[in-house]
Amino acid sequence: GAGVSQSPSNKVTEKGKDVELRCDPISGHTALYWYRQSLGQGLEFLIYFQGNSAPDKSGLPSDRFSAERTGGSVSTLTIQRTQQEDSAVYLCASSLAPGGNEKLFFGSGTQLSVL
Amino acid sequence: AQSVTQLDSQVPVFEEAPVELRCNYSSSVSVYLFWYVQYPNQGLQLLLKYLSGSTLVKGINGFEAEFNKSQTSFHLRKPSVHISDTAEYFCAVRAPSGYSTLTFGKGTMLLVSP
Repeated sequence: GAGVSQSPSNKVTEKGKDVELRCDPISGHTALYWYRQSLGQGLEFLIYFQGNSAPDKSGLPSDRFSAERTGGSVSTLTIQRTQQEDSAVYLCASSLAPGGNEKLFFGSGTQLSVL
Repeated sequence: AQSVTQLDSQVPVFEEAPVELRCNYSSSVSVYLFWYVQYPNQGLQLLLKYLSGSTLVKGINGFEAEFNKSQTSFHLRKPSVHISDTAEYFCAVRAPSGYSTLTFGKGTMLLVSP
């Protein structure tokens, strides 16, 4: 596609439920990143994929968070047993390659609200 | 590991006034530096980046930033702002070699009023 696509754009869920957030990167981009944006906290790195593998999962805040990427394309971020502190905007980004000078292209994010 | 500090969470300014958004970073290795902008209800987009060479870099929409190694700063400037510059601005840092995480600051909200 023309840009990074994320779905849903908004998700409201009840505490304790599981949610899945989807990211469709730009075609041909091998690197994919998930970030979380909370009010006043800036962007917090969650996980990075190169192809289908995740060499850097260091940002995942707990074992309730997991992510996968299939076919070197679409990625799904899953949050199990959601808590109110999980409420945030979840951003996905992709780049052509994982190098330090590569420009990241961001999606518009998924606004997650846990009631 | 790298870290980024954006000292100002909000910067209010009048239209056509100059503006400077401050960014300081910490790193034990040399870094690449970036400014990203997030307009209301839009995704982040790259404004400009410093990789090497001239310490003054120019970006889109008339913005520029200057890398100062001795002060570990990468402040963003614009000589005359427009209403349409109202947005949140994020400074980010990344190590040059191989894969490295892009680390962001907490952002500065630029509020331009008439």
